[in-house]
Amino acid sequence: KQEVTQIPAALSVPEGENLVLNCSFTDSAIYNLQWFRQDPGKGLTSLLLIQSSQREQTSGRLNASLDKSSGRSTLYIAASQPGDSATYLCAVGVRGSARQLTFGSGTQLTVLP
Amino acid sequence: DAGITQSPRYKITETGRQVTLMCHQTWSHSYMFWYRQDLGHGLRLIYYSAAADITDKGEVPDGYVVSRSKTENFPLTLESATRSQTSVYFCASSIIGQGAEGYTFGSGTRLTVV
Repeated sequence: KQEVTQIPAALSVPEGENLVLNCSFTDSAIYNLQWFRQDPGKGLTSLLLIQSSQREQTSGRLNASLDKSSGRSTLYIAASQPGDSATYLCAVGVRGSARQLTFGSGTQLTVLP
Repeated sequence: DAGITQSPRYKITETGRQVTLMCHQTWSHSYMFWYRQDLGHGLRLIYYSAAADITDKGEVPDGYVVSRSKTENFPLTLESATRSQTSVYFCASSIIGQGAEGYTFGSGTRLTVV
């Protein structure tokens, strides 16, 4: 059974700092990996999707990497802003599982002004 | 506006009652999913559907029923609500094909069973 872990559960940084969020998974036979953002009381917004054949994806100040062999992904946020404060969720799609996603519990990020 | 619409946004029901959560999408995505989100567990898959009239169980299906008579609708029914079903429920859809196959989520339904 695929298990996804995100550490730390919470992170607080000053504005302007570059930061890395970590995600690890137990089964390397993944279909893809997706990073989501969730604001309090809201749904999930997809940030980046990495296919199993890719090593990284970039969107603006965000860069996500994928290392299947080690079962790890990182989400790098450059020049953090208070508006980046949210919970970030990592989710893994497993091959042969009809596009179901297995989620980590998330990292709650607070960027202090 | 296009997207995924969940209703109601908030619901309080009593133990033993039947309650249905609605999900409607306007993209004609083939795949639709129901997840529940609980503190300490992240999101867990309840049921999913690959197409109209095709549904299958996820990780935590007990106590739930789904149907998909039309591609755009995927209602979730709690047959006899229990307090352990107090949660936030998210519906999602996914496209099939080349390129970016990503998920899109609805805004969620916060269900409280008293």
